[in-house]
Formats: sequence, C-alpha cells, structure tokens
Amino acid sequence: DTGVSQDPRHKITKRGQNVTFRCDPISEHNRLYWYRQTLGQGPEFLTYFQNEAQLEKSRLLSDRFSAERPKGSFSTLEIQRTEQGDSAMYLCASSYPNSGYTFGSGTRLTVV
Amino acid sequence: TQLLEQSPQFLSIQEGENLTVYCNSSSVFSSLQWYRQEPGEGPVLLVTVVTGGEVKKLKRLTFQFGDARKDSSLHITAAQPGDTGLYLCAVTFTGNQFYFGTGTSLTVIP
Repeated sequence: DTGVSQDPRHKITKRGQNVTFRCDPISEHNRLYWYRQTLGQGPEFLTYFQNEAQLEKSRLLSDRFSAERPKGSFSTLEIQRTEQGDSAMYLCASSYPNSGYTFGSGTRLTVV
Repeated sequence: TQLLEQSPQFLSIQEGENLTVYCNSSSVFSSLQWYRQEPGEGPVLLVTVVTGGEVKKLKRLTFQFGDARKDSSLHITAAQPGDTGLYLCAVTFTGNQFYFGTGTSLTVIP
C-alpha cells in the first residue's frame, strides 16, 4: 500500500466552475476525512466517513460542497460554482477509529 | 476564538540549539497529537498522547501532555535543518475527528 493518494495535485479553475477531487485512502482504514487548509492556518475539518456513511459535516461545508464515498473505498469532494474564497489546499486523511491520521499530499485549488 | 493556541507562531533558530513549542487550550481533551508538515505536503503524525502527564520521546523530540489534559509541549534537542517545518497540534473530544491548531513554523538555519 502506497499511502493516501489524492488527485489532482493542483487545480486552477475559473470562478463559477465546478471541480471534483479524488482521494484513495489506505485500503485497511475504514475512516476517511476531508480537511481544508489555507496559508498560515492549520487544517480545518470539513467532513468524515466511516465506511460509506458520512457521519459528520462541518458548518464550513456549504451547500456548494458535497462529498461521497461509494462502497466505502475512494472518496470524492465536489465544489460547485467555485468562488475565490474556495482557494486552498484540500487534504484527505484516513485512519482506524481512535488512531492517528495518514494524510495525502493534498490538492491545491486556485480559483481565478 | 481558537480552540487551540500554538506558540510561538514563528521560530527561527541556529542548528544545534534547543527549542520548545506549546499547544494550549482551556478545554480538556481525550487525546492530543503532534504533526509536522512540510511545504506542499500533508501533515505527518509524530505522536499521540492520551494520559495526563504523559511524556513520550521520539529521538531528539520530547512530547509532554499536561496533567489536566489541556495543553502540551514539544521540545527539540540539538535542532537540525531537517527539523524545519510547520508543527501542528491536534485534539479530539470524542475520537471521531481531530481539530488542529494554527501551528508553529520552525526554521533551523545551518
């Protein structure tokens, strides 16, 4: 297993476009998390899944954001009608319950 | 109001010096983790502490969880340029998700 993979690494999009990011977790981990990180800040929690169930969503996750984890394997995070304020690093992590996270390298989104 | 306050925000030291960074809150946590993050990469877990007063060592790094489980410190002995990075603490109340501090950006000058 090569760890947590995120695709793409970088994405530049025009304001108003939709974007989708993919995360492939460590296969044995049943929990998957999405975080967002802006420059000079720590990661902010967005949502997490246990297997295929989305168990919690942050208030930061507006209606334009949606995440899925079909079949409890990979996950996608979609942002509709992107805004400049969405520019950030989007981090995915996976773990066993009550254990430390293994993060991917992130997807850096720039909205122009 | 930040759940976690990390200090200092920035730290620049010479190779070979010792340093301590702090993670403080007014809340009690079930566990606390420390991560190191390099530019353009995701954070990498260094340690998890769960017991008040617990001390863990990882080579030149010493981690301590406060007796009341509200704060933690990370001490680095004889810092090396490879220690450069953003040090993040993260806490959980329930074990479901972790909340991160804003980090301490450490630069070790050769």
